[in-house]
Amino acid sequence: EPEVTQTPSHQVTQMGQEVILRCVPISNHLYFYWYRQILGQKVEFLVSFYNNEISEKSEIFDDQFSVERPDGSNFTLKIRSTKLEDSAMYFCASSDRFEHEQYFGPGTRLTVT
Amino acid sequence: LAKTTQPISMDSYEGQEVNITCSHNNIATNDYITWYQQFPSQGPRFIIQGYKTKVTNEVASLFIPADRKSSTLSLPRVSLSDTAVYYCLVGDMNQAGTALIFGKGTTLSVSS
Repeated sequence: EPEVTQTPSHQVTQMGQEVILRCVPISNHLYFYWYRQILGQKVEFLVSFYNNEISEKSEIFDDQFSVERPDGSNFTLKIRSTKLEDSAMYFCASSDRFEHEQYFGPGTRLTVT
Repeated sequence: LAKTTQPISMDSYEGQEVNITCSHNNIATNDYITWYQQFPSQGPRFIIQGYKTKVTNEVASLFIPADRKSSTLSLPRVSLSDTAVYYCLVGDMNQAGTALIFGKGTTLSVSS
């Protein structure tokens, strides 16, 4: 069964550093998403991406965040200058044109120290 | 998006049927009801989606009454591996690319 993959599984960074989280969505999917989940809290939507542009973003997704699809397979989330409160599990998801179901990756645990 | 209300937690024993009810009084005509499951340290996983009446798949059943103001996820004969958080989401999810808005979900604990 096709699946979404994410790298790295765990990233530790110092406050103020830039991080890039990587995702490989399912190959025939057209819609891509990033969500995050702070430990013990609910899953929060960050951004959706379609046709090489952001289609929707939440209030969390401020100027510190950016997304990119640098090639035909990867989808990345960049946090320009990390803060302590950015520590969370970040999930990438993808979906196709016809199905409503979003397929989530295993997540990247980001720890900002 | 319609607000949903579901129990914070439920306990069950192996082999029992578990029913998790979700209230969504302000559901709109175009809204569907979708349930996701999340195991610790994993991403959410789609379980089932429905619009009205009953939907069944290999994992669960979803019962939706005629007024659609609530829905019930039914898990037949649960096992220890069904211990997870279950989320009820309501929205126009027939539109491709719709953001999923998660609540706190229901934490189901299954014991032997």
